[in-house]
Amino acid sequence: DTAVSQTPKYLVTQMGNDKSIKCEQNLGHDTMYWYKQDSKKFLKIMFSYNNKELIINETVPNRFSPKSPDKAHLNLHINSLELGDSAVYFCASSQDPTGNQPQHFGDGTRLSIL
Amino acid sequence: AQKITQTQPGMFVQEKEAVTLDCTYDTSDPSYGLFWYKQPSSGEMIFLIYQGSYDQQNATEGRYSLNFQKARKSANLVISASQLGDSAMYFCAMRVKETSGSRLTFGEGTQLTVNP
Repeated sequence: DTAVSQTPKYLVTQMGNDKSIKCEQNLGHDTMYWYKQDSKKFLKIMFSYNNKELIINETVPNRFSPKSPDKAHLNLHINSLELGDSAVYFCASSQDPTGNQPQHFGDGTRLSIL
Repeated sequence: AQKITQTQPGMFVQEKEAVTLDCTYDTSDPSYGLFWYKQPSSGEMIFLIYQGSYDQQNATEGRYSLNFQKARKSANLVISASQLGDSAMYFCAMRVKETSGSRLTFGEGTQLTVNP
C-alpha cells in the first residue's frame, strides 16, 4: 500500500532532452508538493498544489512545468534538461495546505543528466 | 527571515545509548510547526515527529522525543536506546506560512552513525 508513489525511481538522460516524473498519492490528501534535493542533500521546495490549483511557485526555471490532472496526481515535466538539473526530486502530499499535518514523501526520483 | 539551522554535520553514538540532534530556528510568525524527518541510505524521507508552537508538552513518538525550548528557539530531537537501523541523515524542518498555503523549510541535515 504505497502512500505516495513516484515513477520512475531512476532517470538517466542526455542534456537537452525533455522528461517527465509522475507522482500519485492514495492518502486522500488535498495538497501536493515537489521538492529538489541537491548533491549536498539540501532539500528545497519547488511547487505546491492544493486541489489541482498552484499555490506555491518557487523561483524555478520555467523549463519546469508541474501539472495536476486531479488532486491525487502531480506530475513534473522538465524541458531542455541541463547538467544542473541532476538531483533527487521528491513528491510529497499533506492533508491540507495549512502545514499543521506532516508531509508524506515519495521515495524520490534520481535524475542524472549526461 | 525564516531559517532552520542544524549545526552538527555528523554525529556518532554507541548502540543502546541516547543521542540528541540539535536544531535551532528563526521566525517572527507566532504560529509555526517543527518537524523531524529521517532519510536512510536508501533515500526515502520518513516523518518522525511534529511539534506545534502552541503545544504545551514536548512531542514524543516511541523512542523519539522533541526537546522544545521556545524561548531559545530550539527543537532538538532525542533518540533513546539507539539501534543500528537509526543510522541515517536527519532533517529538521519548519512550517512557514505563505499567503495561500505553507511550505517546509529544511535544515542542512545531520548524518547519524550508530556504532555496534
